[in-house]
Amino acid sequence: LAKTTQPISMDSYEGQEVNITCSHNNIATNDYITWYQQFPSQGPRFIIQGYKTKVTNEVASLFIPADRKSSTLSLPRVSLSDTAVYYCLVVRNNDMRFGAGTRLTVKP
Amino acid sequence: EAGVAQSPRYKIIEKRQSVAFWCNPISGHATLYWYQQILGQGPKLLIQFQNNGVVDDSQLPKDRFSAERLKGVDSTLKIQPAKLEDSAVYLCASSLDLGQGVAEAFFGQGTRLTVV
Repeated sequence: LAKTTQPISMDSYEGQEVNITCSHNNIATNDYITWYQQFPSQGPRFIIQGYKTKVTNEVASLFIPADRKSSTLSLPRVSLSDTAVYYCLVVRNNDMRFGAGTRLTVKP
Repeated sequence: EAGVAQSPRYKIIEKRQSVAFWCNPISGHATLYWYQQILGQGPKLLIQFQNNGVVDDSQLPKDRFSAERLKGVDSTLKIQPAKLEDSAVYLCASSLDLGQGVAEAFFGQGTRLTVV
C-alpha cells in the first residue's frame, strides 16, 4: 500500500476553514483515499472517502487531483469540537493502515 | 443500529500474565480488524479477518499474540505472556465486504491495557 505523509500538527481558530493535505505518491489504480477522525479515548471515526476529483458530505470535502498523488481534506468553519487527530489512509480491498495522523487544535 | 462492542474497557495486569479481549462486530460485517494504539501514535493493524479467515496478520507478534474469529462473528485477541510494551489501547473495527471498493469501518471504544 502507498505510504501517506501529512503534517504532524496544525492550529486553527474557530470559524476558519481548515485544509489538511496528504501526499501518497505511490497510490495504485485500485486504491481509495479515506480520512478518519479520532477524539481522545475514542476509536477513529470515518469522515469521507474518494477516488478522484471532489467529494463532499455534510462534514467535509475531499479534493483529489487528477494524478491522485495527493489529497486535501477541507473542514469548513471549524469549531472547538473539531479538535482531534485526522488520519489519511490509502485503502485497497479493505486493507486499512494508519499513519501518525495530523493533530488539529482549534482555538477560540 | 448497535455499534462494535468491546470488553473489557480497562485491564491492568502484571507482566508475564495473560489477557484476552473480546469484540462483537456490527451484525453482517464480514471484515473484522484488531489494532494496537500506543499513546501518541496511530493505530497499528495487528490482524484482519474476512469472515473466519485471516486476511493479514503480518504485524501480529505471533510469539505472544493470538486471535481467532470462530463462526465468523465474535473475535478474541489474546496476549500471553504480556510485556510492559504491550500497554496500549486495543481497538476492534468491522466493515462490510463490498466485493469491490472500500467500505467504511466502524470502531469500538477500545480496551485500555496497562501492564505493570
